[in-house]
Amino acid sequence: DAKTTQPTSMDCAEGRAANLPCNHSTISGNEYVYWYRQIHSQGPQYIIHGLKNNETNEMASLIITEDRKSSTLILPHATLRDTAVYYCIVSWISGGYQKVTFGIGTKLQVIP
Amino acid sequence: EAQVTQNPRYLITVTGKKLTVTCSQNMNHEYMSWYRQDPGLGLRQIYYSMNVEVTDKGDVPEGYKVSRKEKRNFPLILESPSPNQTSLYFCASSSTSLAGTYNEQFFGPGTRLTVL
Repeated sequence: DAKTTQPTSMDCAEGRAANLPCNHSTISGNEYVYWYRQIHSQGPQYIIHGLKNNETNEMASLIITEDRKSSTLILPHATLRDTAVYYCIVSWISGGYQKVTFGIGTKLQVIP
Repeated sequence: EAQVTQNPRYLITVTGKKLTVTCSQNMNHEYMSWYRQDPGLGLRQIYYSMNVEVTDKGDVPEGYKVSRKEKRNFPLILESPSPNQTSLYFCASSSTSLAGTYNEQFFGPGTRLTVL
């Protein structure tokens, strides 16, 4: 199972794009990259996922490198409400079912 | 409204006193899971269930039990709680994860448990 490496913390100015990097150098071909975030101690919230193509939804964009060894989550216009811990995780299949492991994540602080 | 609910949200108890944390989802999801979150350790999976009457251990199952008698409910049972089970607990659910596909997990609001 591929592990991920993220910076422990980052700051971003309000209104600017927040770019959160993630390293997953041991990812294999059928493993997806997912991002969740957790605001305060609330339950984690799904943001976006991808396999090898870049993805965009109403919350964020996900850029995956061609070799799939790293990815970047982009919040295009960060607001104070985006202050949270962001988890980059890789999912794999075990026993026919998808499994995920959450790491410690990146604590993003959006600064006014 | 689609949601995962947990009860209680906060609980203080004493060592050895059996307790149950309930989890319920209204999305007809097959897959349900319990996590615990501790400072510096992230979210760790305790148990998961692929469907009714089908459960399996996660990464940290010791000291916990679960049951899945109905699709919507997945209670977490601590038969004899100990202080090292003081933690923030989350229940999550998703539709069935088929190989090669993904289904986002919906998380409950969390249960903060303190065992004295």
